[in-house]
Amino acid sequence: AQSVTQPDIHITVSEGASLELRCNYSYGATPYLFWYVQSPGQGLQLLLKYFSGDTLVQGIKGFEAEFKRSQSSFNLRKPSVHWSDAAEYFCAVGAVNDMRFGAGTRLTVKP
Amino acid sequence: SAVISQKPSRDICQRGTSLTIQCQVDSQVTMMFWYRQQPGQSLTLIATANQGSEATYESGFVIDKFPISRPNLTFSTLTVSNMSPEDSSIYLCSGGQYTEAFFGQGTRLTVV
Repeated sequence: AQSVTQPDIHITVSEGASLELRCNYSYGATPYLFWYVQSPGQGLQLLLKYFSGDTLVQGIKGFEAEFKRSQSSFNLRKPSVHWSDAAEYFCAVGAVNDMRFGAGTRLTVKP
Repeated sequence: SAVISQKPSRDICQRGTSLTIQCQVDSQVTMMFWYRQQPGQSLTLIATANQGSEATYESGFVIDKFPISRPNLTFSTLTVSNMSPEDSSIYLCSGGQYTEAFFGQGTRLTVV
């Protein structure tokens, strides 16, 4: 069965610092992988997705993620974090009709 | 992309009552879904809303508790019936094609 693990429940970074959020997945075939962001009181917004091809995927808001099949990982990165990036981040795997979400990582940004 | 509107955005309800949440998509989507997000938790799929037929429920969710309608391709409702405090959650509508899902802003439900 497919599943997603986000090992970090909460991460705090200083504004301007780099960020990496970890995501590991278990999936029987070539995975569809997604990162969503949820700001307080809001729904989920898609940051980026991976289906195939180039393993480094660019998304919105300056985020990128790298698919590493050998490590079953799809980590999210941003070179310089802004205060507005404080939110909950969810990694997800699977097609739309069978999507599994990780537990989420809450990002706090220090001034 | 699709824009998904949900209402109400939040509500406080008395136990034993029911609440119907509406979801409107601005374009036709192949699939629509309802998720529950309990406080501090991730998303759990409640059901797939099927156009013109009964929804497909995930394990642990039943039609009597969470009746769902989808009369056309762009509109769906979820009713939370006979509510208890354990139903206090965020309920999210989602719609999309096979490879991309879009989400509404959610309905924050508090049952007192």
